[in-house]
Formats: sequence, structure tokens, C-alpha cells
Amino acid sequence: GENVEQHPSTLSVQEGDSAVIKCTYSDSASNYFPWYKQELGKGPQLIIDIRSNVGEKKDQRIAVTLNKTAKHFSLHITETQPEDSAVYFCAPMNSGGYQKVTFGTGTKLQVIP
Amino acid sequence: NAGVTQTPKFQVLKTGQSMTLQCAQDMNHEYMSWYRQDPGMGLRLIHYSVGAGITDQGEVPNGYNVSRSTTEDFPLRLLSAAPSQTSVYFCASSYASGAVVEKLFFGSGTQLSVL
Repeated sequence: GENVEQHPSTLSVQEGDSAVIKCTYSDSASNYFPWYKQELGKGPQLIIDIRSNVGEKKDQRIAVTLNKTAKHFSLHITETQPEDSAVYFCAPMNSGGYQKVTFGTGTKLQVIP
Repeated sequence: NAGVTQTPKFQVLKTGQSMTLQCAQDMNHEYMSWYRQDPGMGLRLIHYSVGAGITDQGEVPNGYNVSRSTTEDFPLRLLSAAPSQTSVYFCASSYASGAVVEKLFFGSGTQLSVL
């Protein structure tokens, strides 16, 4: 099965600074790379995703970059705000064939006002 | 827009008791799944379903049963609760284009404590 690692496990940044979270995976067949945000007491929610034929995708202050050769992808958050404080999960998958989804262990981001 | 609805939100059981965690979605999604979330371990897949009448095991299926009689509902049954099943449980669904499953929609979770 897929082996997924996330780093760092915790991250504290000052409001306005940037944050980067990295996810490494083992299955070369993975072709869909999402990031989920989980706020306290809630279920995870997709915030951005990328497919294997694209190297980078941006959505306002968040972006995801993919390096398929090295088998890792990263979440970038610029101009961080207190509402970005949450736990972030990656979940790389082979989207065909109803593959079992393996989540990373999560990164707790704290944005200090 | 209800999305994925889980009930109950909180539950306390005694060891050996049985119960069913309910999950319903109103998005006509073919794919539904159950995860448990434990501190420091992310989300681990328990069981999943690719459509009515079809279920399969995930990473940690022992002690749990599922069935999928309708597209909308995917209940998770604990037959004899154990303290090791204390966790937060999430149900998720996804539309499927052919056999392609991508974005997961999650419910708000059920916090279960087994004493």
C-alpha cells in the first residue's frame, strides 16, 4: 500500500508569513494529490488538489506544487492569517479503480497574531 | 445543502455493547467510506463502498461491520465495543466518474468513547 509522510508535524508562523508543508509518498501510480484542512471539531475539507499532469496550481493564497520524479508534493500558504490555523492532511491516491486512500499523519499549523 | 450527515455526534459505550454509527449523504455519491482518527495517526480507512450492495475492507476493519443497501446510507456497526475503539469516526463520500474517485466530502464526525 501507499506509504505517506508529512513534514513538519507542527508549524508555528507569525501572521503574514508563509507556511510550507511537504508530503512524500511511495506509490508511483499515484496521480491525484489533494490537501485537506481540518478545523477543530470538524471534518476535513478539501482546499486544493492537483493532478499528475500539472506541476503547480494556485488558488489565491494557497498553492500546491508537485514533483512526481521525487514523489513529493507541497502545500504553500502565503500571507498567513489566524483563520489558517488548523490541521492539514495530504492524501495522495491513484484515483482510478477505487483505490484505498491513505492519509498523511497531519500538520498542525498555528498562526500567531 | 446537507452534504454528509453523521449521527450521533457523541457516544459513550461500555465494553461489550453494540451500536451503529449512521451516515447519510444527499449528493448521490457512489463512493462512501468510514475513517477513524486517533491522535498522531491521521485518518485510517475502516471500510468503504463503491455502490449499493458493494463493500470492502480498509486498513483497520476488525471489529466493524458495514452494509450499503441504498446509495444514500452507509452505517457502521460495532458488534462488541472495546476500549481500543475509542476514537473519532468520520464518514466520507465521493462522486465517481467511472472508477475514478477523487475529492472526498466528510461529515462532521462522531466522537466515541468506550469505557
